[in-house]
Amino acid sequence: SQQGEEDPQALSIQEGENATMNCSYKTSINNLQWYRQNSGRGLVHLILIRSNEREKHSGRLRVTLDTSKKSSSLLITASRAADTASYFCATLSKGGNNRKLIWGLGTSLAVNP
Amino acid sequence: NAGVTQTPKFQVLKTGQSMTLQCAQDMNHEYMSWYRQDPGMGLRLIHYSVGAGITDQGEVPNGYNVSRSTTEDFPLRLLSAAPSQTSVYFCASSYRNFFKPQYFGPGTRLLVL
Repeated sequence: SQQGEEDPQALSIQEGENATMNCSYKTSINNLQWYRQNSGRGLVHLILIRSNEREKHSGRLRVTLDTSKKSSSLLITASRAADTASYFCATLSKGGNNRKLIWGLGTSLAVNP
Repeated sequence: NAGVTQTPKFQVLKTGQSMTLQCAQDMNHEYMSWYRQDPGMGLRLIHYSVGAGITDQGEVPNGYNVSRSTTEDFPLRLLSAAPSQTSVYFCASSYRNFFKPQYFGPGTRLLVL
């Protein structure tokens, strides 16, 4: 079953605008990761945020984590056409053998020039 | 480093045929995984390995076999291909455990007629 659920499913913005996508999950997590997938390519890791962190930055990316609401958001500032891709969150649940990531269905982002 | 490589890029099979999807990584990662990606289903874990000689099943293992004789290689075998196995297959690796970022290969697109 998919634990991570991204919304919106699709997002279309103009170059230069900010893009925000959200991920919700159901169980307690150890960490949450965001990945990007360009069309026809493999996934690329963007950022990892641990359950005891609330915010993390990497270049134009800002990720927040609210464990009380079991949600995370990915903000891409000053978007570029090259940011056009699908974005996925993946969670690693606490407990068990921690050997599986649970993936969301992704947000498809289109940045129009 | 080449990272994670997968061959072939694209394959067409007839129902009942068998084949092996190859995956190799040159980062000395212990953890390796096979996923399939289908529209509307997200990424689903087929099999994974936590080191040479150790493999385990994921969410959707039926119809697939794996082995891990070396740290570098993690082939996925389709025993008797079925149309339901038409998908894009991704191999991924990570350092020591699933807490760490996953590195993905470029994918193999498989069509079973």
